[in-house]
Amino acid sequence: QQQVKQSPQSLIVQKGGISIINCAYENTAFDYFPWYQQFPGKGPALLIAIRPDVSEKKEGRFTISFNKSAKQFSLHIMDSQPGDSATYFCAASGGTGGFKTIFGAGTRLFVKA
Amino acid sequence: SAVISQKPSRDICQRGTSLTIQCQVDSQVTMMFWYRQQPGQSLTLIATANQGSEATYESGFVIDKFPISRPNLTFSTLTVSNMSPEDSSIYLCSIDRDGYTFGSGTRLTVV
Repeated sequence: QQQVKQSPQSLIVQKGGISIINCAYENTAFDYFPWYQQFPGKGPALLIAIRPDVSEKKEGRFTISFNKSAKQFSLHIMDSQPGDSATYFCAASGGTGGFKTIFGAGTRLFVKA
Repeated sequence: SAVISQKPSRDICQRGTSLTIQCQVDSQVTMMFWYRQQPGQSLTLIATANQGSEATYESGFVIDKFPISRPNLTFSTLTVSNMSPEDSSIYLCSIDRDGYTFGSGTRLTVV
């Protein structure tokens, strides 16, 4: 019940295309859903996050879509750039999980120039 | 946002030895978290460190193997004890302030 399932495992997108990464959760008590971006040799960095009271949040080229009834959320990267090539992790926390954050398995994104 | 300094950034250690990883935050925080990230894998929480109390360990992690110190509100250490090659991994400290901020990680190789 504490899992966060992330797909795809890897993704190749052409420059200028849209990258889409999906996550599903089980625990309906989660109330905070962040996405992290990790470059090789670096720690993950918070990219964007959403709470379940909204269905979409946009920050620049990055958008989170949230479907509470389906218990799914996704990250959309518009106009993908080679510099976006990284590993992306979705996560969930809050509710009965308390302060613990559960991470998805990660998606390795490669944007072809 | 907070800045976390973690060191060493990497180390190669002999099996059977121990390594202590240090994590310094530029502001006071109540809880600090230690994660392990095995190559190409996701992040697994090792333990949560509160200042002034014993760390809380997740299932599969024990204090004898991963002792943690939290002497004040800006500093913590994680020791990987009696290392084996299976301990080769990236170890990350983090804080939670409207989303996690992570240190840059310690890449540990045990030979």
